[in-house]
Amino acid sequence: DTGVSQNPRHKITKRGQNVTFRCDPISEHNRLYWYRQTLGQGPEFLTYFQNEAQLEKSRLLSDRFSAERPKGSFSTLEIQRTEQGDSAMYLCASGLAMATLHFGNGTRLTVT
Amino acid sequence: AQKVTQAQTEISVVEKEDVTLDCVYETRDTTYYLFWYKQPPSGELVFLIRRNSFDEQNEISGRYSWNFQKSTSSFNFTITASQVVDSAVYFCALTWNRDDKIIFGKGTRLHILP
Repeated sequence: DTGVSQNPRHKITKRGQNVTFRCDPISEHNRLYWYRQTLGQGPEFLTYFQNEAQLEKSRLLSDRFSAERPKGSFSTLEIQRTEQGDSAMYLCASGLAMATLHFGNGTRLTVT
Repeated sequence: AQKVTQAQTEISVVEKEDVTLDCVYETRDTTYYLFWYKQPPSGELVFLIRRNSFDEQNEISGRYSWNFQKSTSSFNFTITASQVVDSAVYFCALTWNRDDKIIFGKGTRLHILP
């Protein structure tokens, strides 16, 4: 059990560019979640997968955001045409059941 | 509506004092789960405890204890004999369906002063 791994740890990009983050969950976990956390706030739910199926997507997630989990293993979160308001920590979590989520260290995105 | 409220934004106590972090939740469902997570300065969210809505027994784990009261929709967290390493942001969270997402409160930043 190596834990949930997220890459990159930090990403600085210019407004208007596309970015992609990767999350590798704990191998036996079938559920994978993406959250966003801004300074001084709790994590906000974005979307989650059970295996490769995306079961729910938050209304917070604009059309510029897309997430995939091909083959039910790792997941990617892409943000197109980034805006300064997208600057945040993006957290990935995995679990066997909703009851206990294991979080990664996050990817901190800064849009300049 | 499902909601978690942590009214205490920031708390500072001197080491070895006891401290209680408050959490109030709202849910229409009769089946739900409550959680506490710790986020140290390193940033990773660390799971502390899960409690289901049918189990109101209080729980103690070392210096940590949790008080779940359905009558007041509260799930408070107490650290006894606090230590500097307890300094972190603590989040209370709720899910109302075992297959659904977890929602978090805004967190309480705890400073333990040496």
